[in-house]
Amino acid sequence: NAGVTQTPKFQVLKTGQSMTLQCAQDMNHNSMYWYRQDPGMGLRLIYYSASEGTTDKGEVPNGYNVSRLNKREFSLRLESAAPSQTSVYFCASSGGLAGGHGSYNEQFFGPGTRLTVL
Amino acid sequence: EDKVVQSPLSLVVHEGDTVTLNCSYEVTNFRSLLWYKQEKKAPTFLFMLTSSGIEKKSGRLSSILDKKELFSILNITATQTGDSAIYLCAESGAGSYQLTFGKGTKLSVIP
Repeated sequence: NAGVTQTPKFQVLKTGQSMTLQCAQDMNHNSMYWYRQDPGMGLRLIYYSASEGTTDKGEVPNGYNVSRLNKREFSLRLESAAPSQTSVYFCASSGGLAGGHGSYNEQFFGPGTRLTVL
Repeated sequence: EDKVVQSPLSLVVHEGDTVTLNCSYEVTNFRSLLWYKQEKKAPTFLFMLTSSGIEKKSGRLSSILDKKELFSILNITATQTGDSAIYLCAESGAGSYQLTFGKGTKLSVIP
């Protein structure tokens, strides 16, 4: 099992460009999450999807949109990138309330995408 | 105001030392507290604590939760250079899908 995979690993954008970060998991998890990590700020939740077909805002959703394409895939889109969105982005998944592999709260993380916006 | 506060923010020790990392939290409807280790890339799960006073152990690492005083500690004995990492703690509330993370403690173990 690959666990949680993310693409791309690195990306450089110019201000105003758009892009989509892709995430997929093969653990049959119900819940998926997008975080950003900035120096000295810890991990902050951008959006999450409790189950297929639902998405909700987290702590820092402004400037982002998400799509839960199916149970496996959860994408994060930046419509008009800004320098403040320079960060490392992590996708994670967990079994969720409805079950699946892993405990309710234990989240499994992907390797991250390092995004720089110039 | 931060809901999860970790201390210290950074720590440098010599190999063989024992370290204690702290995590305090404030949340209504608490469900669990989790510890993660982050080396160069993704955080990896260490422990999940839901009950007070029950120590969880994995090799040289152990952790315990105090639900009355709202804190948890992570102990690492006989530290090795491979323990160098950022240690993150996170809490979750009952019925919530979200984890709220602290800012992490950066541990550096020098030979």
